[in-house]
Amino acid sequence: DVKVTQSSRYLVKRTGEKVFLECVQDMDHENMFWYRQDPGLGLRLIYFSYDVKMKEKGDIPEGYSVSREKKERFSLILESASTNQTSMYLCASSLQGRYNEKLFFGSGTQLSVL
Amino acid sequence: QKEVEQNSGPLSVPEGAIASLNCTYSDRGSQSFFWYRQYSGKSPELIMFIYSNGDKEDGRFTAQLNKASQYVSLLIRDSQPSDSATYLCAVNKGGSTLGRLYFGRGTQLTVWP
Repeated sequence: DVKVTQSSRYLVKRTGEKVFLECVQDMDHENMFWYRQDPGLGLRLIYFSYDVKMKEKGDIPEGYSVSREKKERFSLILESASTNQTSMYLCASSLQGRYNEKLFFGSGTQLSVL
Repeated sequence: QKEVEQNSGPLSVPEGAIASLNCTYSDRGSQSFFWYRQYSGKSPELIMFIYSNGDKEDGRFTAQLNKASQYVSLLIRDSQPSDSATYLCAVNKGGSTLGRLYFGRGTQLTVWP
């Protein structure tokens, strides 16, 4: 089974802190994604990566950056956390290619910014 | 126009009934269609995918795709209280091979005993 592991299940940070959310997948997937999920707003894509050192902006990249130095690891960085970044963050991975887009999700990180 | 729209719900059905969840998409070139189930406080899990027009059955679940109408649905037969969850429809974008999926906002289903 594909395993996508997120480093923390719950995280509490202060406004202005730099926050790192880590995600590791063990199935050699090319694609990795970071979403946030808020009640009533559904899943919103922040960034995704289709190869090492490659990244693409999603729908809401402002206030976030990402890093992918190794194929299995994709990090989401909040440069200066703000209260409106309090959310559930979900990492996902998939293979590349048409008909290979099945996404496998990690268990999520509930981030609270105080 | 949103890429993917789902009937907003919530949807409530009695145990044993058929639950019907609907989704429309805007990109006529889309070729891959997915249904995810998300229990409260958990992450989404893939339950069905369909690529061709028609029906695809897996146990109590049937996915239906009509590309001409740009419509995909999920039927849950003999609904159980354990099916109570939010169901997310996801679609790829025609012409793109990068693998990004577009999600609807989800339909919350409650199955009451």
